[in-house]
Amino acid sequence: GQSLEQPSEVTAVEGAIVQINCTYQTSGFYGLSWYQQHDGGAPTFLSYNALDGLEETGRFSSFLSRSDSYGYLLLQELQMKDSASYFCAVRPIMIYNQGGKLIFGQGTELSVKP
Amino acid sequence: DSGVTQTPKHLITATGQRVTLRCSPRSGDLSVYWYQQSLDQGLQFLIQYYNGEERAKGNILERFSAQQFPDLHSELNLSSLELGDSALYFCASSPGQGPDSPLHFGNGTRLTVT
Repeated sequence: GQSLEQPSEVTAVEGAIVQINCTYQTSGFYGLSWYQQHDGGAPTFLSYNALDGLEETGRFSSFLSRSDSYGYLLLQELQMKDSASYFCAVRPIMIYNQGGKLIFGQGTELSVKP
Repeated sequence: DSGVTQTPKHLITATGQRVTLRCSPRSGDLSVYWYQQSLDQGLQFLIQYYNGEERAKGNILERFSAQQFPDLHSELNLSSLELGDSALYFCASSPGQGPDSPLHFGNGTRLTVT
């Protein structure tokens, strides 16, 4: 099976850097994704790490280490609008079924303070 | 706007009733996914369809069923509703099933069972 663990809440100040961690237990997966959700709105895709290492997209970076079963999302130059929930997600390798289900962690609520 | 359309936006119904939630995927997307999000909870995967065929199933209750039609829109049917079924139901779509295909979510249907 698959399980992903994230901190439930993180607080940071505007302009700072924050790291949201995701540890996982899974028998095999293709890569680690991150999604952002504002106040019960539609989740939106942020990043995808297929390989170990750092992926950078503007102010956001994501990291994956398969050997450590660990990943993180790094948000730099925090802005008030970054206050949202952030979810890590994995797509398990399914040998006999070609389905592409995406399994999400419970989410981390980020509060950015002025 | 993700291009994924969900109707209705809100639904209020009584216990024991049956409802149908509808989803139109982004133009050209063949995969449709359904997720349930209860209050302050993560996104629980329900079921995935690809080009009309069921491809992956999560912990979907037997009272719930879904289908994807030839025009690729999908419906999620919830029957014998219970108070605990009150949640946000999201539909998402992606072009394929590949691990690097991000999901594009609709704005969700908020179901309230009274």
